[in-house]
Amino acid sequence: AQKVTQAQTEISVVEKEDVTLDCVYETRDTTYYLFWYKQPPSGELVFLIRRNSFDEQNEISGRYSWNFQKSTSSFNFTITASQVVDSAVYFCALGTYNTDKLIFGTGTRLQVFP
Amino acid sequence: GAVVSQHPSRVICKSGTSVKIECRSLDFQATTMFWYRQFPKQSLMLMATSNEGSKATYEQGVEKDKFLINHASLTLSTLTVTSAHPEDSSFYICSASQSQGATDTQYFGPGTRLTVL
Repeated sequence: AQKVTQAQTEISVVEKEDVTLDCVYETRDTTYYLFWYKQPPSGELVFLIRRNSFDEQNEISGRYSWNFQKSTSSFNFTITASQVVDSAVYFCALGTYNTDKLIFGTGTRLQVFP
Repeated sequence: GAVVSQHPSRVICKSGTSVKIECRSLDFQATTMFWYRQFPKQSLMLMATSNEGSKATYEQGVEKDKFLINHASLTLSTLTVTSAHPEDSSFYICSASQSQGATDTQYFGPGTRLTVL
């Protein structure tokens, strides 16, 4: 069965703090893709990253970084020096060739206070 | 690049009327479009998947006669909520992908908030 778990329902931080959002996935497929999306209060889901299962290199994009650990089936997302504009719901998702739909986690609501 | 528009952004209608929501990929050809529904503070729930020129595939529990989906071109898909009732009030989001399946990136529209009175 395919599953994505985002155990953190809500996280609150003060601006400039670093914050890590956890994502744990389950799949029996050897080839799969992991995604992160940001959903700000406006509602639109913004694509952040797509990572395939064969690429375990960590990725950094500005203040965002992702840590892919196949050994623990995790794909965690860290925001460095958080800002108020980072306040949103963040979704982790899993896609495989054996399913025709993305499996979404339940999302983590991040609130960054000034 | 990879912009998806959705129209209208917000609609209020009376019970019993039909509402059409358009989803357009503006700068790429969308082989597949997806329609989701999202309740407050919940994750996205896939309603159906549509490929250009073919019938949509509906998820279990989604009434295909109530939620009509048309994917007439590689840049346009429409969702029509027929005979809407208050329980259909929700946030509807479409997404578009350049290929079939779930491994390619889906780009999402801004969503449509439907309120049925």
